[in-house]
Formats: sequence, C-alpha cells, structure tokens
Amino acid sequence: GQSLEQPSEVTAVEGAIVQINCTYQTSGFYGLSWYQQHDGGAPTFLSYNALDGLEETGRFSSFLSRSDSYGYLLLQELQMKDSASYFCAVRDAGNDMRFGAGTRLTVKP
Amino acid sequence: KAGVTQTPRYLIKTRGQQVTLSCSPISGHRSVSWYQQTPGQGLQFLFEYFSETQRNKGNFPGRFSGRQFSNSRSEMNVSTLELGDSALYLCASSREGNTEAFFGQGTRLTVV
Repeated sequence: GQSLEQPSEVTAVEGAIVQINCTYQTSGFYGLSWYQQHDGGAPTFLSYNALDGLEETGRFSSFLSRSDSYGYLLLQELQMKDSASYFCAVRDAGNDMRFGAGTRLTVKP
Repeated sequence: KAGVTQTPRYLIKTRGQQVTLSCSPISGHRSVSWYQQTPGQGLQFLFEYFSETQRNKGNFPGRFSGRQFSNSRSEMNVSTLELGDSALYLCASSREGNTEAFFGQGTRLTVV
C-alpha cells in the first residue's frame, strides 16, 4: 500500500529552527513536495525534490533521500506567520499526488 | 492570471441528497485533481482528470464521481449524502508533468 508519515504536531518559538520529517512508501516515486496551509486557506506549494539532496528557498529548505524514502522540511528563523499545517506529498507511479496527514506547526513568541 | 476557482464555497445538504461541486482550473492547466480534507486526515485523494478522462481514482465509494469538460472545468458529484461526507473538498490544477499543483479555496460541505 501507499503511506506517508509525518508528525501530527510541532511547537517551536520565534526565531528558532524546526524540522518536519516525512517518510513515504509508494508505488513508484517521482518526487516529494511540501505544501503549507493556513487555517481556512488553500494549500500552497513550498518546494519540490526529485533528486537526493537539499533545496533551499529563503528561510525554507527541503531535503530528500530516495534510498531512505525520507525527506524533511526545514524552517529557519521562525516567524509567527509560519504557524500553519505543512503537508508532504508524493507524486507516484500513477502520477497522482498523495498527501500525508499534515503537521500542525505552532510558533510561540 | 486567475487562480483555481471552486463553487460554491459553502454548502449545507441533508442526508440522502446529492451534491455537485465545480472547479475551474487555471487557464492552460489540463489536469484537475480532487481531494477531501477532514480534520486529522489530511488530504485524501478522490480522483484526477486529464483531457476529459479520469486517470486515477482514490479509495472512495462509487457515490463519489466526477467529470471534466473540454474546457478543463471539472465537476464532482456525491450522491446519497452521508453525515461522514461533511468535509472541505479541494480541487487542484496543474500542467501535465508539472510538479506544482495550485489549489482552489475549497467547498465546505456540511451534511445534516
């Protein structure tokens, strides 16, 4: 079967660094994506990794290890506005995008 | 350019009724996917359409169906509504082979 596992909740303080992990098991794999969703809002695209390694986009970085079926999203210099749910997603052999259950990040002052 | 538009934004239906939700993708996007989102369950994949053809379907009962029109607009239909169908229904559009999906604001369906 297919599954994506990520922590349900993470709490951190402003200015800190937080890492949200994602492990996946899918039939076929074309890449790992991350989406951010604020309460009441639509998911928005953050990053995509097709190859092993680290991709950096401003304060956010995403990492992938295909051999370990593992990736993470790293958020640096946390701000209150980063409080949101973060979803990892895998595009599988059927070209569908399957999402994890989401990690709710709470940033405290 | 305009984003993904979903209508209606909110809907209240009673058990046993049927409902149709609409999604207009970004111009030029031919792939439309539908997801059901409930608290704690993340986004559950319903189905994906590309060029008027359903390419993939998730693990949902046959009461959930959809279609896509020649202009790439898509509709999903849920028949014989159950209380458990209450959820946020999101659609996402993307270009073929593109890694980024663009989501609409969703339709919040409440079944009473």
